[in-house]
Amino acid sequence: RKEVEQDPGPFNVPEGATVAFNCTYSNSASQSFFWYRQDCRKEPKLLMSVYSSGNEDGRFTAQLNRASQYISLLIRDSKLSDSATYLCAVNMENYGQNFVFGPGTRLSVLP
Amino acid sequence: EAGVAQSPRYKIIEKRQSVAFWCNPISGHATLYWYQQILGQGPKLLIQFQNNGVVDDSQLPKDRFSAERLKGVDSTLKIQPAKLEDSAVYLCASSLDGTAEAFFGQGTRLTVV
Repeated sequence: RKEVEQDPGPFNVPEGATVAFNCTYSNSASQSFFWYRQDCRKEPKLLMSVYSSGNEDGRFTAQLNRASQYISLLIRDSKLSDSATYLCAVNMENYGQNFVFGPGTRLSVLP
Repeated sequence: EAGVAQSPRYKIIEKRQSVAFWCNPISGHATLYWYQQILGQGPKLLIQFQNNGVVDDSQLPKDRFSAERLKGVDSTLKIQPAKLEDSAVYLCASSLDGTAEAFFGQGTRLTVV
C-alpha cells in the first residue's frame, strides 16, 4: 500500500459546483497534514494546513479523520481559477520526520 | 521575505553526463527537502536535511545521486552519471522544522537526452 493515496481524478466540474477530494495515509502516527495546489509547470504552493478540528478558509474547507486515516478538501462555488492539481502532504515520521506527497488530483472547472 | 531560491531553472544534458542543482532555503529554516517530480506524478522525496544532517535519504539512488548541506544553509544535489529516466523537475523546499509547512522553490527542469 502506498504511503499517501488520493482520488485518481481528473475531476471536471462546472463553475459554481462543489467538489470534494479525499486523501488517505498509511502511517497512523502521522502528525501534520497539508493541502497544496500546483498549477501546470509551476511549483506546489501551500493551500492550507489541516487541523484536527477541521478548518475553513473562504470557499475551502479541510477536515481530518484520524480514525479512518484520511483528510479531505472541499471547494465550494468553484471558480475557473481553481483549475489545478491538488496535492495532499503528510508528515510521515518514519525515519525522523519526512514530508510525503500524494500523486495529486487534477481539477478542471469548466465555464 | 525572500522565498526558496533554486538554480538553474532549466538544464539539458546528454545521458552519462553529470549535473548539479543548487538551493538556498528561506532564512532560518532548519529543514530542507529535495524532491523529484516526474510529469503527471506527485513530488517524490529524495532527501531531507535537518540543519546539516541527513534525516532521510531512503529514496535517493545513491549510486548516482548525492546531496550535501555542509553549513546547514544552502544545498547542492548532484547526479552522476545521468540516465534518461532522470528527466524530471527537481524541487527544493524548506520549512522551519520537520513538522511545519514546506515552501517550494521554482524547481529545475532537467531533460536528459
